Amino acid sequence: NAGVMQNPRHLVRRRGQEARLRCSPMKGHSHVYWYRQLPEEGLKFMVYLQKENIIDESGMPKERFSAEFPKEGPSILRIQQVVRGDSAAYFCASSQGEGYEQYFGPGTRLTVT
Amino acid sequence: SQQGEEDPQALSIQEGENATMNCSYKTSINNLQWYRQNSGRGLVHLILIRSNEREKHSGRLRVTLDTSKKSSSLLITASRAADTASYFCATDAEGSGNTGKLIFGQGTTLQVKP
Repeated sequence: NAGVMQNPRHLVRRRGQEARLRCSPMKGHSHVYWYRQLPEEGLKFMVYLQKENIIDESGMPKERFSAEFPKEGPSILRIQQVVRGDSAAYFCASSQGEGYEQYFGPGTRLTVT
Repeated sequence: SQQGEEDPQALSIQEGENATMNCSYKTSINNLQWYRQNSGRGLVHLILIRSNEREKHSGRLRVTLDTSKKSSSLLITASRAADTASYFCATDAEGSGNTGKLIFGQGTTLQVKP
């Protein structure tokens, strides 16, 4: 029973490029949450999705960031025109429903040069 | 402002001793979850405790929840060097529009010396 999968594990992008981060939830889970962790800090909520729906994007920056969870395939967090301040670890978590345990993937560490 | 705040920020103990970490939060919650994170790695889920529960155990872990004080504690008994990690509490806030998103504290860094 595979856990939450994220890829790539490490991503290096130059300023102005696009970053695409992928997350496959645990089998049987249809709720996906994305969090960002800056160095030496705790995690900050970004967005919550169910299949084909964004439920809560209150933690997403208003510009350059978008997320989707299509009917087929992984959830994608997309960052356009990356800047150095986007360098962080991005974690995805999946759950069987609201109020249940959230299980985290290994994260994608984004470095913007 | 942070919903969850852990105390202490850092803790260093000898192998075999017990480690206690505390978490305080501000708003009413549905549940509180504790996670462990080894340096540069992902988060490992430890325990979820619901607002109507006062104590839960899992192996060497004991979690308590006091909703009147808006606080929780994580006790690790008979610590091992492998317990060295950062520990985070995360709250699922109660309220209309709540979607299960977790609000994390800054974490407690635990070092267990062999």
